[in-house]
Amino acid sequence: EDQVTQSPEALRLQEGESSSLNCSYTVSGLRGLFWYRQDPGKGPEFLFTLYSAGEEKEKERLKATLTKKESFLHITAPKPEDSATYLCAVRELGGSNYKLTFGKGTLLTVNP
Amino acid sequence: DTGVSQDPRHKITKRGQNVTFRCDPISEHNRLYWYRQTLGQGPEFLTYFQNEAQLEKSRLLSDRFSAERPKGSFSTLEIQRTEQGDSAMYLCASHPEGGLQDTQYFGPGTRLTVL
Repeated sequence: EDQVTQSPEALRLQEGESSSLNCSYTVSGLRGLFWYRQDPGKGPEFLFTLYSAGEEKEKERLKATLTKKESFLHITAPKPEDSATYLCAVRELGGSNYKLTFGKGTLLTVNP
Repeated sequence: DTGVSQDPRHKITKRGQNVTFRCDPISEHNRLYWYRQTLGQGPEFLTYFQNEAQLEKSRLLSDRFSAERPKGSFSTLEIQRTEQGDSAMYLCASHPEGGLQDTQYFGPGTRLTVL
């Protein structure tokens, strides 16, 4: 049973065309939800951490939001350099293992 | 450079050979994690260390895999008798202990290809 589901699997946008990526999760208790960006052949690069429903964080053209069941990564007026795979991960409450459970990612392509 | 580093970045080996990867975490990060990522998938947890102690191993980590973190600094991941199914990106991540300092920072990964 998937704990983290990301949609869409792939998204193609024109430069300047805003959109949102979705991350839905099913865990007994959420300790934190993390967004990462991954370029081909590289390790994930940290973007945001969200801890409670209603929380929002922004960085340049990206804004992450969190509800009790899902998170959205909003991309405003994207540029070609925003093209990458965006990964969502959750850390469950309890225990000393801070391991992350990842979704499969959304491959974003922004055309000039 | 104060980020997580991994070596080598790429490794090509023949089936049945042993390989070893190294991870140097961010200085003073006492928690270190290994993940494996295959094409089109997100990273999957393999094992983690708190200082030099290996505290949990995933069922993905068969008996052919062993990880160490001597002295609580760098870590090594060894795969014995490699199989084609071991081909993947092996990622290392670290974070400091305590409070809200639980954001994991990843290294560039080691891409393993088993022929």
